[in-house]
Amino acid sequence: KAGVTQTPRYLIKTRGQQVTLSCSPISGHRSVSWYQQTPGQGLQFLFEYFSETQRNKGNFPGRFSGRQFSNSRSEMNVSTLELGDSALYLCASSHNPTRAKNIQYFGAGTRLSVL
Amino acid sequence: GIQVEQSPPDLILQEGANSTLRCNFSDSVNNLQWFHQNPWGQLINLFYIPSGTKQNGRLSATTVATERYSLLYISSSQTTDSGVYFCAVERNFNKFYFGSGTKLNVKP
Repeated sequence: KAGVTQTPRYLIKTRGQQVTLSCSPISGHRSVSWYQQTPGQGLQFLFEYFSETQRNKGNFPGRFSGRQFSNSRSEMNVSTLELGDSALYLCASSHNPTRAKNIQYFGAGTRLSVL
Repeated sequence: GIQVEQSPPDLILQEGANSTLRCNFSDSVNNLQWFHQNPWGQLINLFYIPSGTKQNGRLSATTVATERYSLLYISSSQTTDSGVYFCAVERNFNKFYFGSGTKLNVKP
C-alpha cells in the first residue's frame, strides 16, 4: 500500500507569490491534516479535512487555506507569501478519526523557501 | 490548547547505551503517538500509545494517562537511531499538539 504522497518535495518562491501544495493520502484514508514545521515554532497544526469538510483549524492567518476532493486528496494554498512562510509543510492521513484507534501517517513533506 | 513538554531537548549517547525520553502533557487526550523524524524530514510512526505499554524490538513506550506522561525507551542504541523524536497528543478531530522534540545523537 502506498504511503502518504506529497508534491512537490521542494519549492522556491518569492515574496508576494502564491503556492499550492498537494497531498494524496493512503488509499482508504478519509482524513487529511496539514502541519507547518519551522525551527522557531516547531510543528504547528494548520487544518484538518474529513469527507471534503474542514473540521478543525489552527491559528494561522486567512492566507493559508485548503480543500479536499472527493477522492480524499487535499491541497493547501498560501497566498501573498511572506519570508516567514518558509517551512517544511507536512501532511498526515488517517483512516477514520472517529474510531478508537486513530493512527496518523505522515508524508515526506514539502520544503518551501520564500525569497 | 494542550501543552506538550519533552525532555531532554538534546541527548548524546555512545552506541550501545540505553536512554529514556519523556513527554508530559497538560490535559487528557484520546491519542498519543511517538514519531522519529528522519534527516529528510519525514515523521516515522514509532508507537500509537494513548495508555499502557508497548514494545517493538529495541524500542518500548509507556503512557500513564492518569498522570499525563509518556516515556520512550531506547535500548542498545545504534547510530541509525539518531534524529529527532517527537511526542504528539490529540484531543479531537485530528488536531495534534507536538512537543518540541528530543534531538538524539548516537556516536559510534
